[in-house]
Amino acid sequence: NAGVTQTPKFQVLKTGQSMTLQCAQDMNHEYMSWYRQDPGMGLRLIHYSVGAGITDQGEVPNGYNVSRSTTEDFPLRLLSAAPSQTSVYFCASSYSTGYSYNEQFFGPGTRLTVL
Amino acid sequence: GNSVTQMEGPVTLSEEAFLTINCTYTATGYPSLFWYVQYPGEGLQLLLKATKADDKGSNKGFEATYRKETTSFHLEKGSVQVSDSAVYFCAFFSTSGTYKYIFGTGTRLKVLA
Repeated sequence: NAGVTQTPKFQVLKTGQSMTLQCAQDMNHEYMSWYRQDPGMGLRLIHYSVGAGITDQGEVPNGYNVSRSTTEDFPLRLLSAAPSQTSVYFCASSYSTGYSYNEQFFGPGTRLTVL
Repeated sequence: GNSVTQMEGPVTLSEEAFLTINCTYTATGYPSLFWYVQYPGEGLQLLLKATKADDKGSNKGFEATYRKETTSFHLEKGSVQVSDSAVYFCAFFSTSGTYKYIFGTGTRLKVLA
């Protein structure tokens, strides 16, 4: 199993550009999520999904879109990049225990710089 | 509301010292509790977990016990190594309100040789 994969590893954008961060998992996990982590800070939830076709907003959704057309993929779209979106982005997935979810598996991250 | 409180870092220790990182939580019900570790330049990875009260999770010499009475899940290690230098996050999954993981702010540990 590859686990959770993210591409690209590094990206530099100019203000106003758009791009998609890719996330895929091969563990058949229902739950997937996107976080951002700023230097020296903790994690902030951007969007999450509990299954194909179902997404919801986290704490900091503005400027980002997601979709979940398959169980495996959960791409994050930056609509019009801003310097405030310079961060490290992590994708994670987890599986249901029936009434809750178990531990998350994290990808290696995408380091994004917006000039 | 749901929350996790971790001790402020950074924590600086000498090699072979005893480590405690405090974590207390506020949650509805009795969720599974997790400790994650993040090494420099990497993503988070699960260190250990406990699924019910009085359970002890352990891995790589680290231990944490799920204490329902004190709503705590403190991380301990008897003898730290330089390779344990990392950021440690305490977390649980919230099923009240939105379905999301609640993380502490992280505690940076630096171990000196």
